[in-house]
Amino acid sequence: QSVLTQPPSVSAAPGQKVTISCSGSNSNIRDNYVSWYQQLPGTAPKLLIYGTDKRPSGIPDRFSGSKSGTSATLAITGLQTGDEADYYCGTWDNSLHTGLFGGGTKLTVL
Amino acid sequence: QLQLQESGPGLVKPSETLSLTCSVSGGSMRSSIYYWGWIRQPPGKGLEWIGNIYYSGSTYYNPSLNSRLTLSVDTSKSHFSLRLSSVTAADTAVYYCARLSVGSTGGDAFDVWGQGTVVTVSS
Repeated sequence: QSVLTQPPSVSAAPGQKVTISCSGSNSNIRDNYVSWYQQLPGTAPKLLIYGTDKRPSGIPDRFSGSKSGTSATLAITGLQTGDEADYYCGTWDNSLHTGLFGGGTKLTVL
Repeated sequence: QLQLQESGPGLVKPSETLSLTCSVSGGSMRSSIYYWGWIRQPPGKGLEWIGNIYYSGSTYYNPSLNSRLTLSVDTSKSHFSLRLSSVTAADTAVYYCARLSVGSTGGDAFDVWGQGTVVTVSS
C-alpha cells in the first residue's frame, strides 16, 4: 500500500475534464514539490508536471497540476483517446527520507 | 538531447546480485541541479523509487532496500550503476534509470527516463 493514495481508476468521455487526486501528508506533499507522470502501455513514464504546477516544454496546457495542503491534483481537459494511460504522482518524504510514487491511476476515455 | 540507456543481465538467480548500468549520452553528468536515479516497476504494479546518486557520489536510498543496495557513479565514463544483493522473486521488475532535476528550477522531478530493462529473478 502506497504512502501516496491515488484512485485506482477514473473515466470520462472525449472532450470532457477529469481530475486525479494524490493524497499524502505534511511530510511529503505539503512540504515538497509534486510531479506527475504519464505511462502509456509498454513504455517508460513521461514527465507531465514538475514543481507541482509547471509543464515541461511540449506538454499541452490541457494538463495542469495543483496542490492544497496534503493533497495534489492533476487535471486533464479536452480528453482525447490518446490520453488513456496510467498516471502517477511523485514527491519526496522528509520523515521517511525517501522518494515516493502514488499507486497509479488508470484513465479510461470512454 | 540527453539520453539514458540501461544495460545488464535480464536473468538473475535467487540470492545472487543484480547489477545494472545506466549510460548517459548527449549531456554532462556533472551538474549541481541533477541527481541520477533508479526506479523499478514489478509486473502489473506501480512505480517504486529505488535511490538517487549525485555526481560527487552522495546517495539517497529507499530504506526498504538500503541493506542490499549500492549505487555508484563514474562521470569519466558517463554512467552510473546499481547493485542489489540477495535478490528474490520480489525483485523481478522493469528497472528504469532517470535524471532527477532538483530545486526550484527542476521541481524535483524525473525529467528524462531510460527505456527500461526487464530483470527476472529465477533459478
